[in-house]
Formats: sequence, structure tokens, C-alpha cells
Amino acid sequence: DAKTTQPPSMDCAEGRAANLPCNHSTISGNEYVYWYRQIHSQGPQYIIHGLKNNETNEMASLIITEDRKSSTLILPHATLRDTAVYYCIVSTGANSKLTFGKGITLSVRP
Amino acid sequence: GAVVSQHPSWVICKSGTSVKIECRSLDFQATTMFWYRQFPKQSLMLMATSNEGSKATYEQGVEKDKFLINHASLTLSTLTVTSAHPEDSSFYICSARETGESYEQYFGPGTRLTVT
Repeated sequence: DAKTTQPPSMDCAEGRAANLPCNHSTISGNEYVYWYRQIHSQGPQYIIHGLKNNETNEMASLIITEDRKSSTLILPHATLRDTAVYYCIVSTGANSKLTFGKGITLSVRP
Repeated sequence: GAVVSQHPSWVICKSGTSVKIECRSLDFQATTMFWYRQFPKQSLMLMATSNEGSKATYEQGVEKDKFLINHASLTLSTLTVTSAHPEDSSFYICSARETGESYEQYFGPGTRLTVT
């Protein structure tokens, strides 16, 4: 599976949009981009995934560049409960394993 | 929907004893389950992939005789840490993929193991 690169940390103000970047320059054509988050001392939570097109669900939006070498997870209105480590992972999806990197620690400040 | 539970949520055991951790998919069937380990301030590391009715596939460096995995039904996988030592103290997390679905893994809440 391709490797991802994320900044170690970022913060944003409560109520503002949080834009979390991820680089995956070696992504293959059949690999999806997944985002999971882990709140302290809990199991990871699935957020969203995409292949080529931008995706949106009730939690977030995923913007994938046209060359698919990078993506951005957008939390439109961050709350204090969104403080967590966010993992960007690329995987073929079909029964393949997820390889977690170090992720990005998002701190939402009041 | 798509809830995964783990039992126990935390356990303390003495060095040399064995500990069993259960992972259950509560509202879906999971042909494949995964076991991860997470040390403090580190990321999750995949230990093994568990397939219902067959032997688990272990990641490189994970001792299969020490970490016994059994996936006897479509809703239950167990991880047994045998002859536990203090260095086995960690946060153990399982995940499950719904049978027939390819994209999402649902994670359990984790089990905190402390070996004294």
C-alpha cells in the first residue's frame, strides 16, 4: 500500500472549518483514500473514504486532487469533541489491511 | 449499526499468566477481523488478520505462538496473550469488516492490558 505523509499537528478555533492535508504521491489507481480518527484511549472511528471524486457525508468532506497525489479532509464546523488524531490511509479496500501512520493531531480550541 | 465490542475493556494480570480478549461484531457478520496493538504515544500496529474458519495471518515479527487468535464464528474473534510479560502491556484493538462489504473497518473500543 502507498505511504501517506501528514503534518504532525494543527489547531483550529471551535466553529471554524478544519482542513487536514495529506500527501500520497505514490498512490495506485486502485487505492482508496481513507480517513479515520482516534480520540484518546478509544478505538479508531471511520470518517470517510474516496477514490477519485470528492465525497461528503454527515461528518466531513474529502477533497482529492485531480492527480490523486494529495487530499484534504474538511471538518466544516469543528467542535471541541473533534480533538483527536486523524489518520489518512491509502488502501485497496477489498479485504486489505489498513496501515496506520503517525497521523495528525488536531486540537480544537474554544 | 456496525458496532464492535471488546471484552474486557481493561485487565491486569501477573507475569506468566494468559489473558483472553474477545472481539464481537454486534449487528453484522464479519468474515474478517483484525487485531492491532498500540503502545503509548504510538500509532496502531497491525498484529494479525483473522478469517472465520481458517488460521490467522500474522504480521512480520508477531509471534503466533504467543498471540493465539481464534475466529470460530462470524461474530467472534478472540486473542489470547500467552505467558504474558510486562512488555506485552499495551492497548489491544480489534476491527471487523462486514461480510460482503469491502470498504469500511469498524473498530472496537480497545482493551488495556497491564502485566505486572
